[in-house]
Amino acid sequence: DAGVIQSPRHEVTEMGQEVTLRCKPISGHNSLFWYRQTMMRGLELLIYFNNNVPIDDSGMPEDRFSAKMPNASFSTLKIQPSEPRDSAVYFCASTPEGTDRNTEAFFGQGTRLTVV
Amino acid sequence: AQSVTQLDSHVSVSEGTPVLLRCNYSSSYSPSLFWYVQHPNKGLQLLLKYTSAATLVKGINGFEAEFKKSETSFHLTKPSAHMSDAAEYFCVVDSSYKLIFGSGTRLLVRP
Repeated sequence: DAGVIQSPRHEVTEMGQEVTLRCKPISGHNSLFWYRQTMMRGLELLIYFNNNVPIDDSGMPEDRFSAKMPNASFSTLKIQPSEPRDSAVYFCASTPEGTDRNTEAFFGQGTRLTVV
Repeated sequence: AQSVTQLDSHVSVSEGTPVLLRCNYSSSYSPSLFWYVQHPNKGLQLLLKYTSAATLVKGINGFEAEFKKSETSFHLTKPSAHMSDAAEYFCVVDSSYKLIFGSGTRLLVRP
C-alpha cells in the first residue's frame, strides 16, 4: 500500500481565496483524522471521521473550515476564505479501527499551506 | 483528561552517545502511549507503543521506552545515537479515539 496520500504537498494562496486539501487514506482503514501543525500550537486534531461520518469536529477552528468524507477513500479539508493565520502543515492520518486505543495512526506527508 | 509533557524542547548529543528524551503523562486510566518521529519535511512515523503489556517497549531503529507508572513517565532512550536520528520526537497519549501530542523534542546529533 502506498500509505496515506495527501495533495498538494505545498500550497501558496492569497488571503481570501478558497483552499482545498485532499487526502486518500489507506485502503481498508475506516477512521480518518485531520491534524494541523504550527510552531505555536504544535499538533492539533481538527476533525475525526469514522466510517465516513464526522464524529468529532470540536477542533475545527471556525466556520471557515469544513471537512467532508464522501466515501471511504477520499476526504477534503476546505478553508474559505483563507487567512494568513491558517498557514500551517496539515496532516491526514488513518487507522484501521478508530475506537481501538492501541491502534497506530498512519500519517500522510502533510500539506504545507502558506496564506499570503 | 489525558495529556503529555515533553520536558525538553531540544536535546543535543554527540554521535555514538546515549539518547534520552523525557516524557511525563497524565491520565485518568491506564493509558496507551506512543512515540512518533518526524524527520524534516516528512510525515510522522510510529517508533513504538505501550499497550499495558511489557513495561519496556522496543521500537524501530534501536529505540526503546520504559513505562513507569509510579513516575508517570515514558522516556525514550537509545544506547548510541546516529546522525540519521536527528529529527523531532513526539510523545503521544491516547484519549479515547484520538491522539494527544506533546509539544515535541528536537534531537540534534553532533558528528
